[in-house]
Amino acid sequence: AQRVTQPEKLLSVFKGAPVELKCNYSYSGSPELFWYVQYSRQRLQLLLRHISRESIKGFTADLNKGETSFHLKKPFAQEEDSAMYYCALRGPHPGYSTLTFGKGTMLLVSP
Amino acid sequence: NAGVTQTPKFQVLKTGQSMTLQCAQDMNHEYMSWYRQDPGMGLRLIHYSVGAGITDQGEVPNGYNVSRSTTEDFPLRLLSAAPSQTSVYFCASSYGGSSGNTIYFGEGSWLTVV
Repeated sequence: AQRVTQPEKLLSVFKGAPVELKCNYSYSGSPELFWYVQYSRQRLQLLLRHISRESIKGFTADLNKGETSFHLKKPFAQEEDSAMYYCALRGPHPGYSTLTFGKGTMLLVSP
Repeated sequence: NAGVTQTPKFQVLKTGQSMTLQCAQDMNHEYMSWYRQDPGMGLRLIHYSVGAGITDQGEVPNGYNVSRSTTEDFPLRLLSAAPSQTSVYFCASSYGGSSGNTIYFGEGSWLTVV
């Protein structure tokens, strides 16, 4: 069965420090991975997906198939980055229409 | 273009009551799904649908019913609410059929069962 692991429940950093949110996955085929962000009591927002290789709000993530990882990185954290971050893997249900989520990492950026 | 619309946004229920969370999308998406979000558990799939008249169970289906009579609507029914169903519920939709399709989420429904 496919699985997404986010080992850190909470990551606390100071403003201006680098950030790395870890995500590892287990999947037998060619994975499609995403990062979603949720600000306090708001909807899930797609932050980025690996196939587009975009950089959104200064965040980047690279798929490493050898290490089965998709870590989210930002060189200089901002206070407004404080939020819950979810890593997700497309599948396993028909039509590629569902996602398997990790348990999430809360990022707190202090001034 | 409204996207995925969920109602209500907030609801408080008493144990044993029943209710329906509504989800509607106006993008003519075949595929729709319901997730629940709990602290420390992430989002888990409750039920999904691959088209009108076709539904199936996800990871945590117990205590929930769904139906898909139209392409646009995918309501989630709580048959007899329990405190363990206190959660945030998200509806999602997509065209599906191949990887790369965007999955759209609603704004969420915050449910408290007392």
